[in-house]
Amino acid sequence: SQQGEEDPQALSIQEGENATMNCSYKTSINNLQWYRQNSGRGLVHLILIRSNEREKHSGRLRVTLDTSKKSSSLLITASRAADTASYFCAGIKAAGNKLTFGGGTRVLVKP
Amino acid sequence: NAGVTQTPKFQVLKTGQSMTLQCAQDMNHEYMSWYRQDPGMGLRLIHYSVGAGITDQGEVPNGYNVSRSTTEDFPLRLLSAAPSQTSVYFCASSSAASGNTGELFFGEGSRLTVL
Repeated sequence: SQQGEEDPQALSIQEGENATMNCSYKTSINNLQWYRQNSGRGLVHLILIRSNEREKHSGRLRVTLDTSKKSSSLLITASRAADTASYFCAGIKAAGNKLTFGGGTRVLVKP
Repeated sequence: NAGVTQTPKFQVLKTGQSMTLQCAQDMNHEYMSWYRQDPGMGLRLIHYSVGAGITDQGEVPNGYNVSRSTTEDFPLRLLSAAPSQTSVYFCASSSAASGNTGELFFGEGSRLTVL
């Protein structure tokens, strides 16, 4: 079973626009992470947010976490063509050591 | 830095053949794991290890074996390949041990086709 489910499954935007994707998870987590995967490549870690944090920023990325709703969002501001990729959320259960991934959101940024 | 290195990058097998996917990391990470990625299904955890000599099952362990004799290496063995094991396999490592897995570092993947 997947810990995270991303929404939407696919997103197409123009360069310069913001991209928002959401992740819902099923069980209590210790932390939630977001990863990017370019076509044919491995995943690259973007940001980690712990269960006691509500919001985190890293460059053009903003992540929120709502543990009461078991959901997280990733916002990419001022998107660029290079942001075209699949984005995955991944959660680790409290007192666990298995990072479980969702199905991903495919983002296309058109120049 | 090499990071996480997977070999081979591509492999074609016939049903029933065996093979080993190699994974090596040079970051002295205690935690290593294997995932498979299938279209539309994200990544599913096959096996993981929190240190040398310790392995455990993930979500989809059937048909796969692992061992962790050194900190650096975590090979994944397919004893009798089946078409359902056609997938892209990723090895990943982390500096955190059990309880609070942090950032995973991924290899570039091994694309396996079983005919």
